[in-house]
Amino acid sequence: NAGVMQNPRHLVRRRGQEARLRCSPMKGHSHVYWYRQLPEEGLKFMVYLQKENIIDESGMPKERFSAEFPKEGPSILRIQQVVRGDSAAYFCASNPSGSYNEQFFGPGTRLTVL
Amino acid sequence: RKEVEQDPGPFNVPEGATVAFNCTYSNSASQSFFWYRQDCRKEPKLLMSVYSSGNEDGRFTAQLNRASQYISLLIRDSKLSDSATYLCVVNPGQGAQKLVFGQGTRLTINP
Repeated sequence: NAGVMQNPRHLVRRRGQEARLRCSPMKGHSHVYWYRQLPEEGLKFMVYLQKENIIDESGMPKERFSAEFPKEGPSILRIQQVVRGDSAAYFCASNPSGSYNEQFFGPGTRLTVL
Repeated sequence: RKEVEQDPGPFNVPEGATVAFNCTYSNSASQSFFWYRQDCRKEPKLLMSVYSSGNEDGRFTAQLNRASQYISLLIRDSKLSDSATYLCVVNPGQGAQKLVFGQGTRLTINP
């Protein structure tokens, strides 16, 4: 049973470009969560999605960031007009039920903005 | 006040020692509690869930005190492979499905 998959693993962008991060949840999981980890800091929740629905986006920055989880295909975290402060590790997690259970994490995408 | 607070360490202990980590959380409505482990530049991995009755998994023992809003992790007979950052993690409940992470406690086991 493949775990949570994320790609790319490393992404380099110049200021002003767009970054697209992809996440495929574990088989049988329909709940996806995105977290950001800035250097030397803990993980911070960004957004929680189910298929075709954003359930909780309370951790998303108000501008430039968006997320989707379409009926078919992976979840996408999109960052428009990236700035140096967006450089971080972005982790995706999934679980089957969206309850208060554990979440399983993917290997992360490390975004570097030059 | 941070939602989940941990001593960031670092803790440097000799192999075979017993080491204990503590964590406090601010939201009394929190529903579930976990310890995750994160190796350098890797994803967090679940070490164990934490229950009010306390639970043990091999050399690892976790305790939860809801009245004091306090969580602990004890590692006995530490191994070199236990070197990692240990993350105290809380689900705040009240309908929220997100996890709230502490900053993490860095542990290094020395030979």
